[in-house]
Amino acid sequence: KAGVTQTPRYLIKTRGQQVTLSCSPISGHRSVSWYQQTPGQGLQFLFEYFSETQRNKGNFPGRFSGRQFSNSRSEMNVSTLELGDSALYLCASREGLDSGNTIYFGEGSWLTVV
Amino acid sequence: GNSVTQMEGPVTLSEEAFLTINCTYTATGYPSLFWYVQYPGEGLQLLLKATKADDKGSNKGFEATYRKETTSFHLEKGSVQVSDSAVYFCALLNNAGNMLTFGGGTRLMVKP
Repeated sequence: KAGVTQTPRYLIKTRGQQVTLSCSPISGHRSVSWYQQTPGQGLQFLFEYFSETQRNKGNFPGRFSGRQFSNSRSEMNVSTLELGDSALYLCASREGLDSGNTIYFGEGSWLTVV
Repeated sequence: GNSVTQMEGPVTLSEEAFLTINCTYTATGYPSLFWYVQYPGEGLQLLLKATKADDKGSNKGFEATYRKETTSFHLEKGSVQVSDSAVYFCALLNNAGNMLTFGGGTRLMVKP
């Protein structure tokens, strides 16, 4: 079974631009969540989606948004990019909402803002 | 709110040495606890988990026991290998089961 797939793996954007990152969860997984990893702030929760509904959102500005499609694939968007948005963005998926469900992570998308 | 504290690294060990990485947490209720490992340039891989008090998670020679009385989930391995060199993250899942809170990560370096 394929793992969590994130695209693109690496990208460079300019300040003020916007970016869209994509995540395909493990087949059969309906929950998708996103995390930001930076050297200064560590791993921080962005949001979680289940059945196309956002269930929880972390403490990030409104420039960060996401959505989930009917096939459970998810995208996150960051508008008006700032230098501080440079980070590894990790997507994770799990089968359902049971807290015993294992959460699996993708390889991440490395975003550099210049 | 929930928080996870783990020992700062780097931790440098010789091959076959004993490893302990301390992790303590603050949370309401009884969260599930996890250890994830991140190799250079890669995402997070689940190493082990425990979902209730006194549970012991184990995988690839690593172990951690969920200690409610000390709110701890320390990671141990009896004999580390060079291939264990990575960053290790302790994490807890909130009661709603929709958000992981991570510790700051501990870099482990194992020398031959």
